[in-house]
Amino acid sequence: RKEVEQDPGPFNVPEGATVAFNCTYSNSASQSFFWYRQDCRKEPKLLMSVYSSGNEDGRFTAQLNRASQYISLLIRDSKLSDSATYLCVVKGGSYIPTFGRGTSLIVHP
Amino acid sequence: EPEVTQTPSHQVTQMGQEVILRCVPISNHLYFYWYRQILGQKVEFLVSFYNNEISEKSEIFDDQFSVERPDGSNFTLKIRSTKLEDSAMYFCASRTENSPLHFGNGTRLTVT
Repeated sequence: RKEVEQDPGPFNVPEGATVAFNCTYSNSASQSFFWYRQDCRKEPKLLMSVYSSGNEDGRFTAQLNRASQYISLLIRDSKLSDSATYLCVVKGGSYIPTFGRGTSLIVHP
Repeated sequence: EPEVTQTPSHQVTQMGQEVILRCVPISNHLYFYWYRQILGQKVEFLVSFYNNEISEKSEIFDDQFSVERPDGSNFTLKIRSTKLEDSAMYFCASRTENSPLHFGNGTRLTVT
């Protein structure tokens, strides 16, 4: 089983839609979780950290399910500018953040 | 907001040549990383560096690779004898004790 797995997509949604991505991880000792956003040929940029209790930042909500070993990202009211690849990042026992392959989101008019 | 800066943005080199990729991490950060991303593939960990030494490295980081922090600001990745398969985006990242990674804007390395 891969360390961090994501559905590569693409998820093709209209503006205003709600879309959700999941990411599963294999190391049950993982301690920290993040969502990054990557635009084509650009560097990953931190979108949000993921906390055990779940957290929200505007239209974005992240949740962690330790029992099932996955994290999720929910985007409400999608904008054209949300089109990007969303990378799940998991930190295990040593601080070597491991990236998922990313989920591609395309928001169309 | 402070940034991680990388130079050059694009490097073209011939197979077998040495290249040095340069990074200036955020000034109060203590942990430094190099990642690479081959076109269309995932971001892969190469090496982490703390307290003037390598703390971890991946299988990709073989004897052809080395890192250095020659002064208080720069953090470099050297590839001694480049191969075609080294063509990728190379990202430098840094962090403080418990922060997420902050990435530079990358160097695109093309080996011909």
